Amino acid sequence: GENVEQHPSTLSVQEGDSAVIKCTYSDSASNYFPWYKQELGKGPQLIIDIRSNVGEKKDQRIAVTLNKTAKHFSLHITETQPEDSAVYFCAATLGYALNFGKGTSLLVTP
Amino acid sequence: NAGVTQTPKFQVLKTGQSMTLQCAQDMNHEYMSWYRQDPGMGLRLIHYSVGAGITDQGEVPNGYNVSRSTTEDFPLRLLSAAPSQTSVYFCASSYSISGENEQYFGPGTRLTVT
Repeated sequence: GENVEQHPSTLSVQEGDSAVIKCTYSDSASNYFPWYKQELGKGPQLIIDIRSNVGEKKDQRIAVTLNKTAKHFSLHITETQPEDSAVYFCAATLGYALNFGKGTSLLVTP
Repeated sequence: NAGVTQTPKFQVLKTGQSMTLQCAQDMNHEYMSWYRQDPGMGLRLIHYSVGAGITDQGEVPNGYNVSRSTTEDFPLRLLSAAPSQTSVYFCASSYSISGENEQYFGPGTRLTVT
């Protein structure tokens, strides 16, 4: 099956700084890579995704990059705000299954 | 649209008891799934369904049963609860059966087995 590694497990940044979270996957057949944000006491919510035929995707302050050769993808958040504080999960899809990384707890301090 | 709803929000069981976690969606999604979330483990797929009458196992299916008699509902059954099943359970749905599109998650059920 697919194995997704995510780093770091915790990340603390000052408001206005950038945050980067990195993931690697094991199966080269995976072709869909979403990122989910989970706020305390809630279910995960999709914030951005990328497919294997695209190298980079941007949505306002959030961007995702994908390197299929190296089998890694990253989430970039610029101009961080306190409301960005949450747990972020990367995932990779293989067939019907969505395989998640173990999560990154991001804390943005004012 | 209510989206994905889960009941109950909290549940405490004794070892050996059985129960059913309910999940419903009103978006006419074909794909539904159950995950468990444990500290430091991320979300792990228990079972999924690509349509009414069709279910399959995920990464951690042991101790859980599912059925899908309607498009809307996807209940998860614990036949004989064990302390190792203490977790937060999330149900999710997606319009695409391939899993390659946004999954909508419910608010979760926090289960404690003593």
